[in-house]
Amino acid sequence: NAGVTQTPKFQVLKTGQSMTLQCAQDMNHEYMSWYRQDPGMGLRLIHYSVGAGITDQGEVPNGYNVSRSTTEDFPLRLLSAAPSQTSVYFCASSQTLGTLHFGNGTRLTVT
Amino acid sequence: GQQLNQSPQSMFIQEGEDVSMNCTSSSIFNTWLWYKQDPGEGPVLLIALYKAGELTSNGRLTAQFGITRKDSFLNISASIPSDVGIYFCAGSNVNNNDMRFGAGTRLTVKP
Repeated sequence: NAGVTQTPKFQVLKTGQSMTLQCAQDMNHEYMSWYRQDPGMGLRLIHYSVGAGITDQGEVPNGYNVSRSTTEDFPLRLLSAAPSQTSVYFCASSQTLGTLHFGNGTRLTVT
Repeated sequence: GQQLNQSPQSMFIQEGEDVSMNCTSSSIFNTWLWYKQDPGEGPVLLIALYKAGELTSNGRLTAQFGITRKDSFLNISASIPSDVGIYFCAGSNVNNNDMRFGAGTRLTVKP
């Protein structure tokens, strides 16, 4: 049982480059979200989606775009990477808000 | 935005000791949750609390949803080495569809 799968596990970007962090879940969950984890700051919500075709901003959305064309996939796009976006990114899904299932994270470094 | 204050930031304890950590919020939450994160992995749900005053146990873990709905605590009894990790509190409200996390408590258990 795969659960929530994130790719890649590690990524290094140069400032100004763009990339997409992939997230897929096989539990037919309606709710999906992206968090970033920085030392001493816990997990901060970037964007979330309550179903296919519906997305909304979280606490720290600037510099990130999302889309939800299918129930299974919720990619996170960085349009022009900045060093401040160096972080560990977690995707999560749930059937009801609260019982989040997290992926194993993508560690991103922007130089 | 909603702020969660989690304390302590870190704890160093001896195997067998009991542990207590708590979380307070400037806002009311409908749901309080506690997650644990092992190194290199995403957080995993430990306990979910849905009603003010609720006290719930999961093995050696006990958590309570504060009466004011602005706080929660987690106790771990008779700690063991595999309890090592980062513990996060999280609060959510159904109405606004997002979940906020505390900064985490890093627990170290010395054998």
